[in-house]
Amino acid sequence: DAGITQSPRHKVTETGTPVTLRCHQTENHRYMYWYRQDPGHGLRLIHYSYGVKDTDKGEVSDGYSVSRSKTEDFLLTLESATSSQTSVYFCAISESPGGSRSGNTIYFGEGSWLTVV
Amino acid sequence: EDQVTQSPEALRLQEGESSSLNCSYTVSGLRGLFWYRQDPGKGPEFLFTLYSAGEEKEKERLKATLTKKESFLHITAPKPEDSATYLCAVRYNQGGKLIFGQGTELSVKP
Repeated sequence: DAGITQSPRHKVTETGTPVTLRCHQTENHRYMYWYRQDPGHGLRLIHYSYGVKDTDKGEVSDGYSVSRSKTEDFLLTLESATSSQTSVYFCAISESPGGSRSGNTIYFGEGSWLTVV
Repeated sequence: EDQVTQSPEALRLQEGESSSLNCSYTVSGLRGLFWYRQDPGKGPEFLFTLYSAGEEKEKERLKATLTKKESFLHITAPKPEDSATYLCAVRYNQGGKLIFGQGTELSVKP
């Protein structure tokens, strides 16, 4: 199993509060991703990082921000949580997408279940 | 528009009844097609990557194939433990981003 730890695994929060999800990896992989998974939409990319302090937006980035101050940690922040952000959030890592085939695979964490009430 | 479509949405099989799952894609410049397995309450588990038409990969009862427009995941003599949702995803640029299909929920009854 890829060494990916997400925390918290489950959280209930109130509308309007900020929430931070943490992803920690022990693989020293350069790329890290945050996805959300919703019924009827599948997995959708929120933000990704291609190095320390290097991040970019995915297809559903509105209302989310990310930070990566160390190779091993990638934080996802919901600045003011809304009910539409109730979802399962997955962190993923990759060694070198577009490079060698062995480094091209994206591995996923176990998920963080977030409920906004 | 770049798109990945999986069919069927759900598939129910009897143990030992072989079948195939389909993943069709409309992206330009394919840089890899990925298959994942996802169990309830878990993250997607990597199965295979295919890169070029004609390529095949096998793992136990699973075999993935790729053409220029679609990929198939063949399941031979499935067992109940093969029950899961199978996800297909494609990468189409250097940024490493994946586009996922909606998945096929497979149920294998003893």
